[in-house]
Amino acid sequence: DAKTTQPTSMDCAEGRAANLPCNHSTISGNEYVYWYRQIHSQGPQYIIHGLKNNETNEMASLIITEDRKSSTLILPHATLRDTAVYYCIVFNAGNNRKLIWGLGTSLAVNP
Amino acid sequence: NAGVMQNPRHLVRRRGQEARLRCSPMKGHSHVYWYRQLPEEGLKFMVYLQKENIIDESGMPKERFSAEFPKEGPSILRIQQVVRGDSAAYFCASSRLGGYNEQFFGPGTRLTVL
Repeated sequence: DAKTTQPTSMDCAEGRAANLPCNHSTISGNEYVYWYRQIHSQGPQYIIHGLKNNETNEMASLIITEDRKSSTLILPHATLRDTAVYYCIVFNAGNNRKLIWGLGTSLAVNP
Repeated sequence: NAGVMQNPRHLVRRRGQEARLRCSPMKGHSHVYWYRQLPEEGLKFMVYLQKENIIDESGMPKERFSAEFPKEGPSILRIQQVVRGDSAAYFCASSRLGGYNEQFFGPGTRLTVL
């Protein structure tokens, strides 16, 4: 079973920041937080991942709380093309590297 | 730099036929993963392969399903004697190394069983 809890759906205005929360209260010390998204039944797209420190790349920022029990994915300037289902995944490379998927958050970016 | 390629993109089979799904990983990637997504559900892990080896097949049904990743050529997911419940999107992902390397996904094969 997935070790994460995410809201079912969220809305965001175009051009504003989208903040997607994820709870992973049972995360272990050697487990990473990964974020993927799936746009309209296409193949999932990797966004970002982190262990303890906050991370940023060209797509998004990942903020992980100090106790690592929750995190937030931030899309700084959401566009209509960011409308997708966003999956937060706790990943343990020792678990034969398989990704365990929940149902994700369906983000709708509105004009 | 081509991404993960899957073919066919759409496959229609009648009950009892065989389905063969192919996945070509990204160049330089030697790890392949197969996932299945039923309508309105999240992805479910099926099998993890490295070249010529099955590392983890814990998510794959014991009967009718098999996977391979030969030394040369694409990875193949084979479903024998398909049933309507096999209708789903099948996604392949690849990674360069194991460990915490991110997995890159193909566009998927949508299997419809009539």
